[in-house]
Amino acid sequence: AAGVIQSPRHLIKEKRETATLKCYPIPRHDTVYWYQQGPGQDPQFLISFYEKMQSDKGSIPDRFSAQQFSDYHSELNMSSLELGDSALYFCASSYPYRGDTEAFFGQGTRLTVV
Amino acid sequence: AQKITQTQPGMFVQEKEAVTLDCTYDTSDQSYGLFWYKQPSSGEMIFLIYQGSYDEQNATEGRYSLNFQKARKSANLVISASQLGDSAMYFCAMSASGSARQLTFGSGTQLTVLP
Repeated sequence: AAGVIQSPRHLIKEKRETATLKCYPIPRHDTVYWYQQGPGQDPQFLISFYEKMQSDKGSIPDRFSAQQFSDYHSELNMSSLELGDSALYFCASSYPYRGDTEAFFGQGTRLTVV
Repeated sequence: AQKITQTQPGMFVQEKEAVTLDCTYDTSDQSYGLFWYKQPSSGEMIFLIYQGSYDEQNATEGRYSLNFQKARKSANLVISASQLGDSAMYFCAMSASGSARQLTFGSGTQLTVLP
């Protein structure tokens, strides 16, 4: 079965650079979530989208922005990168007609800021 | 605000035995959802099981079952007949209104299955 696809899987950037992470949800899933998991930490909710509109916002820095496109894929844009942004970034998707009770995560993008 | 507490940083279990991973939660919401995820060393986050706050029956999914005790605010995960491939980090999470839209995770339990 198709899963949530994230690209790239690994990304190395220098401080103050920008990065764009992409997420392709499971077909027919119209809700997308972004999470950040620092080393040895639990995942922290960043932001979510439903039907291309932002639905919930968590602890997302102002340097980050995200959007969901007409084909339901989502991109997380990160600017002025800092060393502390090094983390595993997860995208997840769910299907509201199942009550959003199952959020399926992608394999994550591991961002390293040097 | 919601809070998830997992008090077992690490657990060991013998292959083929059952193991219970503890999870307690705190919320003022009347409707909420409880989730368990497995994170192997490769990093991906794998959905295991879901329990809605109004579900009277404990959720089960294959070898996984969720021991939901609402009055005690606990949602322990029981893995029966442990397998070596079950070795991973396990996260308990919850959300308001039962949806997975904004999950709050616990700190996780590292489970090691011994041969």
